[in-house]
Amino acid sequence: QVQLVQSGAEIKKPGASVKVSCKTSGYTFIDYHIHWVRWAPGQGLEWMGWISSNKGDTNYAQKYQGRVTITRDTSINTVYMELRSLTSDDTAVFFCARDDSRDPLNAYDFWGQGTVVTVSS
Amino acid sequence: DIQMTQSPSYLSASVGDRVTITCRASQGTGNSLAWYQQKPGKVPQLLIYAASTLQPGVPSRFSGSGSGTDFTLTISSLQPEDAASYYCQRYGRGPWTFGQGTKVEI
Repeated sequence: QVQLVQSGAEIKKPGASVKVSCKTSGYTFIDYHIHWVRWAPGQGLEWMGWISSNKGDTNYAQKYQGRVTITRDTSINTVYMELRSLTSDDTAVFFCARDDSRDPLNAYDFWGQGTVVTVSS
Repeated sequence: DIQMTQSPSYLSASVGDRVTITCRASQGTGNSLAWYQQKPGKVPQLLIYAASTLQPGVPSRFSGSGSGTDFTLTISSLQPEDAASYYCQRYGRGPWTFGQGTKVEI
């Protein structure tokens, strides 16, 4: 069965970086893009960017340009999201989600369980 | 970037009510529009994609309509388990922008 399993909760100090992983299984990795979505209480869902699991192309939200990097390791079907220069405003839950790169009308049919990132001094 | 504006941001309704949530895009997005449900502490779940296609397993009381810039999510007969936040999202070329969400209380 399809699974997206994310790494565990993180506590970081302001100015640090965090790298969250999303290990996928149960489907052909290169057929799906992986996106990262941020959720914070009172702020709703926010799209951060995506990576083509096949080609490695990336596309980031303007808000996170220069501060986020999404990479993938095709040998272990895993995608990573690194966010740098953390502030308390980055305290949130980060989700990975997949979309079918072969179907332009497809949306996020499977999500990871979410990773809580807390930024505090 | 295309902005997505949802309304209302909050609504309170009773079991059995017909509920409608709207989503407006600042530019045309064809029918590349999805709706998600998120319950507190849970992962978002896809309800509708391609503006009106029901994701398998989603109850038929949920329906979506619209194209271009104006979209609607309708719950035909609200159930207690529908208490959640609902988000629209445009997707395809460019940023996959979410609306700000609608919290539905019962």
